[in-house]
Amino acid sequence: GDSVTQMEGPVTLSEEAFLTINCTYTATGYPSLFWYVQYPGEGLQLLLKATKADDKGSNKGFEATYRKETTSFHLEKGSVQVSDSAVYFCALSPRTSGTYKYIFGTGTRLKVLA
Amino acid sequence: DSGVTQTPKHLITATGQRVTLRCSPRSGDLSVYWYQQSLDQGLQFLIQYYNGEERAKGNILERFSAQQFPDLHSELNLSSLELGDSALYFCASSVVASGSPDTQYFGPGTRLTVL
Repeated sequence: GDSVTQMEGPVTLSEEAFLTINCTYTATGYPSLFWYVQYPGEGLQLLLKATKADDKGSNKGFEATYRKETTSFHLEKGSVQVSDSAVYFCALSPRTSGTYKYIFGTGTRLKVLA
Repeated sequence: DSGVTQTPKHLITATGQRVTLRCSPRSGDLSVYWYQQSLDQGLQFLIQYYNGEERAKGNILERFSAQQFPDLHSELNLSSLELGDSALYFCASSVVASGSPDTQYFGPGTRLTVL
């Protein structure tokens, strides 16, 4: 079945370091891909999305490119801030008729130190 | 603020009891999704409703049920509660049910603790 695999956390970085969080997926067809962020004590917020191969989603300095050939959607940011500390979830929405439920990865906790 | 509201924020109850979680979607959204977030299972899709009708089921136990009312708010009913049902329950909403990829907007969640 469809699935999402994320790198294990926690990831600890110093402020202004480069961030990569790996995400790979297994799905039939061409799913849509998403990154959500969950700050402590809050719900999930959409960070960015991509709906077809080679699409690049970007928001707040974060980027991810839909790579069909490697079935990946890695999240990157050039310079992280303390305020980026959160849990990041990669998700896919399979193009299955009748529903667009999400399938989530396990989440990667990011901690940024000042 | 996503525009999705969930009540209550916290719920503490005992094993064997029954609880109801409530969700109000964003204005104009017709689809409601329920997810369970637990430490060992991660975020799991439970069920989806679209305009009052059940559209998809995920890993939802038979002890759990849901419905969506004419005003589009939704309730998730959990019965015969077990310790393992302790989790964060999220509701999400989106405009459509299918046809094109659609962003889901998540509520703040209800934290259920079963003692």
